[in-house]
Amino acid sequence: DAGITQSPRYKITETGRQVTLMCHQTWSHSYMFWYRQDLGHGLRLIYYSAAADITDKGEVPDGYVVSRSKTENFPLTLESATRSQTSVYFCASNMGQGQPQHFGDGTRLSIL
Amino acid sequence: AQSVTQLGSHVSVSEGALVLLRCNYSSSVPPYLFWYVQYPNQGLQLLLKYTSAATLVKGINDFEAEFKKSETSFHLTKPSAHMSDAAEYFCAVSLISSGSARQLTFGSGTQLTVLP
Repeated sequence: DAGITQSPRYKITETGRQVTLMCHQTWSHSYMFWYRQDLGHGLRLIYYSAAADITDKGEVPDGYVVSRSKTENFPLTLESATRSQTSVYFCASNMGQGQPQHFGDGTRLSIL
Repeated sequence: AQSVTQLGSHVSVSEGALVLLRCNYSSSVPPYLFWYVQYPNQGLQLLLKYTSAATLVKGINDFEAEFKKSETSFHLTKPSAHMSDAAEYFCAVSLISSGSARQLTFGSGTQLTVLP
């Protein structure tokens, strides 16, 4: 089915561990985004990508790494997880300027 | 810099009553504006979008929003609330100019409760 899928849906890990959140879209959208959602903050942009091999920082990039070797995939890596990175993470994609973003169902990440 | 303010983090209405969720934006140039809805344990779904074609925008499920440049507002309304409308609603803004137009800035959200 066409759409945007995130995996895993739920993840529990420990501080200091590396964890990678996966995002896959089947629309061939140029742009992909990673957000984190925390109570009282709405959604905040972590990183985005305009195309394969083109990525840029958003509002809260510290502690995160992204890559985009293929148009359809945009993984987000926490290299050394901290408790402050406990959050719900959403991946989104769109075709570009003025177009609405389409969201995955999110990954709920807990860091103990 | 662009920003979005949603007035009221929680709004309660009775079933059948008017829904009004407020959104004000700050932007130095005309923006694209969006309303999204989020149901529990799900991602955000697009309700409607403003892209300068018409000031009154109709969306899904009888929602609509009016762009008022003089008030820098984009309030969301629905004439008659249904129980199924209970969810969190987010207003978002994106600049029309190139460069940062791909980015959305979200408000902090309004939780809508519909009372029977």
